[in-house]
Amino acid sequence: AQSVTQLDSQVPVFEEAPVELRCNYSSSVSVYLFWYVQYPNQGLQLLLKYLSGSTLVKGINGFEAEFNKSQTSFHLRKPSVHISDTAEYFCAVSLRRAAGNKLTFGGGTRVLVKP
Amino acid sequence: SAVISQKPSRDICQRGTSLTIQCQVDSQVTMMFWYRQQPGQSLTLIATANQGSEATYESGFVIDKFPISRPNLTFSTLTVSNMSPEDSSIYLCSVGQPMNTEAFFGQGTRLTVV
Repeated sequence: AQSVTQLDSQVPVFEEAPVELRCNYSSSVSVYLFWYVQYPNQGLQLLLKYLSGSTLVKGINGFEAEFNKSQTSFHLRKPSVHISDTAEYFCAVSLRRAAGNKLTFGGGTRVLVKP
Repeated sequence: SAVISQKPSRDICQRGTSLTIQCQVDSQVTMMFWYRQQPGQSLTLIATANQGSEATYESGFVIDKFPISRPNLTFSTLTVSNMSPEDSSIYLCSVGQPMNTEAFFGQGTRLTVV
């Protein structure tokens, strides 16, 4: 079975400051890695995904994430946040052998961007 | 990509009653899933909705409490039966294709049981 741990439940950050959201995973088989964002009262939107190849993945809205196989991590970063980035962020994995299939989510990180 | 519509978007229900949530997709999809997001928590998979056969439930979820239908490749329903306040959550429908690495989500149904 796989599991995902998001190390920070809440991250307050000032506008235009950088932010990093930490994600570690555990799995005995190969997985795909995802970051989703959930804005208040909305569903989930995919920010980015790691499938294979380059370990640095760029997503929408200026976000990027780096896959580190040795540390089993997939941390999300943004160099300069905006007020509109206030949301909850979820790291998730799916089994490679079951692409497009069910996801295992981390506990979520709530980002609050302050002016 | 897929556009997913969930109905209702929110509801307030009396304990002991049941609510059926609908998930409609704008294209045929192979995989359909139902997740629960309890207040302040992450998403937990309830079950995989299988077209033409019984749903596959995750540990801790049972058919009597969460019956699911999947009559075709674009539609599914989840019923939350005999509700209690502990069932107050957001319920989300998700879809995917076997060779596609991305899962798409509906807007969710916010359920409050009083």
